[in-house]
Amino acid sequence: NAGVTQTPKFQVLKTGQSMTLQCAQDMNHEYMSWYRQDPGMGLRLIHYSVGAGITDQGEVPNGYNVSRSTTEDFPLRLLSAAPSQTSVYFCASSYNPQDYEQYFGPGTRLTVT
Amino acid sequence: DAKTTQPTSMDCAEGRAANLPCNHSTISGNEYVYWYRQIHSQGPQYIIHGLKNNETNEMASLIITEDRKSSTLILPHATLRDTAVYYCIVRVGNNAGNMLTFGGGTRLMVKP
Repeated sequence: NAGVTQTPKFQVLKTGQSMTLQCAQDMNHEYMSWYRQDPGMGLRLIHYSVGAGITDQGEVPNGYNVSRSTTEDFPLRLLSAAPSQTSVYFCASSYNPQDYEQYFGPGTRLTVT
Repeated sequence: DAKTTQPTSMDCAEGRAANLPCNHSTISGNEYVYWYRQIHSQGPQYIIHGLKNNETNEMASLIITEDRKSSTLILPHATLRDTAVYYCIVRVGNNAGNMLTFGGGTRLMVKP
């Protein structure tokens, strides 16, 4: 198993541009989520999904959209990038929403200028 | 979910036990204690979790006080590869959002 994969590893955007961060898992996990981590801080939940076709907002959802058309993929869309969205983004998954162990991807480092 | 308090940083000599404390004085009866760690520039990694009994796995041991207001993560023989930020998280077991609330964590430096 590749586990949780994220692309790209690094990305630089200009203010106002849009882009999609990709996340995929091959463990047949129902639950997937996106976190952001600002320098020197812990992770904050952006959006999550408990299964294909179901998504919900986390702690900091503004400026981001998600969709879950398949079990494997959970892309995160930045609609109009802002410097405040400069961060490292982590995708995570677990077998079900109550699972105690979540598996994290390697992260995408995003800079918005 | 209950708030946790951890020391900002700790040092440990290689080969010695690393004992990382966590205070969670407002923990509720249905909240579990989880530990994750984050090695530099990587995604967080699950270590261990418990409700009220002490737990041990291949990575670490978790000691929870009888009143459940604090806990200690023990790495029995720390190596240089254990240098990381360690997060203590308290979470309801059936949290529908499965959200992990990460605080600042403890930066553990294992020294030769």
